Amino acid sequence: QSVLTQPPSVSGAPGQRVTISCTGSSSNIGAGYDVHWYQQLPGTAPKLLIYGNSNRPSGVPDRFSGSKSGTSASLAITGLQAEDEADYYCQSYDSSLSVHWVFGGGTKLTVL
Amino acid sequence: QVQLVQSGAEVKKPGSSVKVSCKASGGTFSSYAISWVRQAPGQGLEWMGRIIPILGIANYAQKFQGRVTITADKSTSTAYMELSSLRSEDTAVYYCAREESSSLGGYFDLWGRGTLVTVSS
Repeated sequence: QSVLTQPPSVSGAPGQRVTISCTGSSSNIGAGYDVHWYQQLPGTAPKLLIYGNSNRPSGVPDRFSGSKSGTSASLAITGLQAEDEADYYCQSYDSSLSVHWVFGGGTKLTVL
Repeated sequence: QVQLVQSGAEVKKPGSSVKVSCKASGGTFSSYAISWVRQAPGQGLEWMGRIIPILGIANYAQKFQGRVTITADKSTSTAYMELSSLRSEDTAVYYCAREESSSLGGYFDLWGRGTLVTVSS
């Protein structure tokens, strides 16, 4: 299983708001390391969506926002659109010796 | 702008090795680190290791230690990932990704399009 825990799936109707959680531990998110989010459309490479917990790269709509608290983080998407249907992954750094960069298992967003 | 261009799909026999390349097109690696991330069919993302090309220093996830070698050629801004002793579970899309580093953990701001490696007898 993944070091960071995400729900396997979420869904929402167009125009609605959805959130995706990402839960870690004291060796990654809880240790103060930043959380980043990626969007992966079917058949394509991941794309950076949120970095440094809550920052959007140029070109990412402000419908996407991120937050972090304690050992968890969240991605919120407002005004849901059909093109938002994709897999979303959280990522952080882990201070354990076995691995450095860790990902969540991914969440499939379905727009109803 | 810089793009990461990866080599083409590979089909390999169990027990063999594969070497995937990742070239910075339209620029150089500069001082960035390059990571390799793989994704098995229908599965999530898994970090394998990274290299800082300007220093030639690589480190690896423990899971892949001894089986993966990541190298880089600064002169051509090309990074390589070689995975040995291949087994069917290594069938996956392998991505290279540029790392934007920070003291609070880096993130991957630029990705290659991926290279499908299929391990089959």
